[in-house]
Amino acid sequence: RKEVEQDPGPFNVPEGATVAFNCTYSNSASQSFFWYRQDCRKEPKLLMSVYSSGNEDGRFTAQLNRASQYISLLIRDSKLSDSATYLCVVIRGYGGSQGNLIFGKGTKLSVKP
Amino acid sequence: DARVTQTPRHKVTEMGQEVTMRCQPILGHNTVFWYRQTMMQGLELLAYFRNRAPLDDSGMPKDRFSAEMPDATLATLKIQPSEPRDSAVYFCASGQGTSAFPGELFFGEGSRLTVL
Repeated sequence: RKEVEQDPGPFNVPEGATVAFNCTYSNSASQSFFWYRQDCRKEPKLLMSVYSSGNEDGRFTAQLNRASQYISLLIRDSKLSDSATYLCVVIRGYGGSQGNLIFGKGTKLSVKP
Repeated sequence: DARVTQTPRHKVTEMGQEVTMRCQPILGHNTVFWYRQTMMQGLELLAYFRNRAPLDDSGMPKDRFSAEMPDATLATLKIQPSEPRDSAVYFCASGQGTSAFPGELFFGEGSRLTVL
């Protein structure tokens, strides 16, 4: 089983729709979680961190479920510009070392007019 | 606007040739990473440096790949000899490596390598 797994999609949604992605991780000792965004033929960029209590940034909401070992990303009122691949990132184990960053393969989102 | 700079952006070479990719991390960042991205495998960590010291290169094929940081402003990834299966996008990333920002890496634009 891969350490970080994501549904590759693509998720094709109309503008204005609400869409959610899940990401599961296998190492129960993982402590830190993040979502990155990668536009086509571009580099990944940090979208948001995922806190235990859940967190929101505008139209984006990230949540963590430790019991079931998954994190989620919810996008409300989706825009054409949200079209991208969303990468789930987990820091393996304790200590928060950047050397233990594990990237999922990503979920592709395509928002249509 | 500080950014990670990678060269070359694109490289087409023939099997057996040496390939060197260069990266200038963001000034003040003390962690540097080399990742390889393919459709099949996604982002794979090849090498990780902290304060220029190599901490993890377990993801790198040692027989043909080497990564170095000759100084704080330059990281290099070398493939010798290159093979068609090395075709991928190679990303360099840097970070502050502190507990305050463990997940925030800044990526360069990548070097797209094609080995014929």
